[in-house]
Amino acid sequence: QVQLVESGGGVVQPGTSLRLSCAASGFAFSSYTMHWVRQAPGKGLEWVAIISYDGSSKYYADSVKGRFTISRDNSKNTLYLQMNSLRAEDTAVYYCARGKWLVRGVLDYWGQGTLVTVSS
Amino acid sequence: EIVLTQSPGTLSLSPGERATLSCRASQSVSSSYLAWYQQKPGQAPRLLIFGASSRATGIPDRFSGSGSWTEFTLTITRLEPEDFAVYYCQQYDISPFTFGQGTNLEIK
Repeated sequence: QVQLVESGGGVVQPGTSLRLSCAASGFAFSSYTMHWVRQAPGKGLEWVAIISYDGSSKYYADSVKGRFTISRDNSKNTLYLQMNSLRAEDTAVYYCARGKWLVRGVLDYWGQGTLVTVSS
Repeated sequence: EIVLTQSPGTLSLSPGERATLSCRASQSVSSSYLAWYQQKPGQAPRLLIFGASSRATGIPDRFSGSGSWTEFTLTITRLEPEDFAVYYCQQYDISPFTFGQGTNLEIK
């Protein structure tokens, strides 16, 4: 069955960096678009970034553009989110999600999330 | 970016009743590129509807979606206890793929 397991969250100071990982299994990872979505404590969902199946195409939310980088290693079935210049408002649970086959903008499987807390 | 506004913010109903949730877009969402998700406390969201009206795999037929362009609706007929949750709409027509702020469906 499809599994997505995020890791790498934690407590960091403002201005520092963090890299999140998402290990995928149970499907042909290299064939699917992948996303990152975040949710601040007690708030709604915010779409963060998308990467095409081969990593050639990437798009970001304005709130993270220039600071976050989405990438993937298809040989390792792993999705990444490099987060630089972190701010307090980046505090959230970060979910990785799979883009549905042929409907890449639809998120059909989600991981359980990893919490990132940015605080001094 | 396309802003999605969901209403009401909170909907209080009883099991067995019908729920109607609204999602309004700030500009037209072409090809009905709109999805609905359900999220329960402490859990990841779950895909319910995509393409405005197509149910995702395993979703009961009491969930239905409708609408086009700027007005979309999620309807849940005959509410079950497990349906009480927060519901989000999402557009995937134009990046950034924005979400609505959510509707909290609570037990009356």
